[in-house]
Amino acid sequence: GQQVMQIPQYQHVQEGEDFTTYCNSSTTLSNIQWYKQRPGGHPVFLIQLVKSGEVKKQKRLTFQFGEAKKNSSLHITATQTTDVGTYFCADSGAGSYQLTFGKGTKLSVIP
Amino acid sequence: DAEITQSPRHKITETGRQVTLACHQTWNHNNMFWYRQDLGHGLRLIHYSYGVHDTNKGEVSDGYSVSRSNTEDLPLTLESAASSQTSVYFCASGRLAGEQFFGPGTRLTVL
Repeated sequence: GQQVMQIPQYQHVQEGEDFTTYCNSSTTLSNIQWYKQRPGGHPVFLIQLVKSGEVKKQKRLTFQFGEAKKNSSLHITATQTTDVGTYFCADSGAGSYQLTFGKGTKLSVIP
Repeated sequence: DAEITQSPRHKITETGRQVTLACHQTWNHNNMFWYRQDLGHGLRLIHYSYGVHDTNKGEVSDGYSVSRSNTEDLPLTLESAASSQTSVYFCASGRLAGEQFFGPGTRLTVL
């Protein structure tokens, strides 16, 4: 997989505010996966994006894949305390089952 | 229900000792993976397997080995534990590219 850079590293938001994390690569990504890890827990698969310009939604979560397939974003609308955790993006190379993870964005939600 | 388990959940060992971490999945997945998670580094791939008797090195394989004698198990062995191997270790399995199911993790401390 490609090296993926994820920003920001940390984000503190007031409950009800929106949150966005970005995943960037200098080279074209094959596809992007997003995972969530709650404090003290294990990573849990959220979604996979494959197509250029793809947008997928899961309730308050919106996932986008850039037109050039070099970046992706996860946007959470109106954060809740249950959104607390670290969000990781990961790239799987073409024809590969391996994942290369970004370093994650740790989200804190202030009630 | 299908699951993936890891044992032990916590382990303290001494430098130079051999340590084996167990991973067992009942998903019947061909693909299995070992990661280590450290602050500032995210999740890094140690070894992976695409089927029985198949093993491959990942990004940080030095000092680690795996064997795959059946579909369900992929034990991870630290040949001679070093303090730099103090970490949280996650096992994962999957069938589809990108979607991996993670175990609860093993917290290993090498003194």
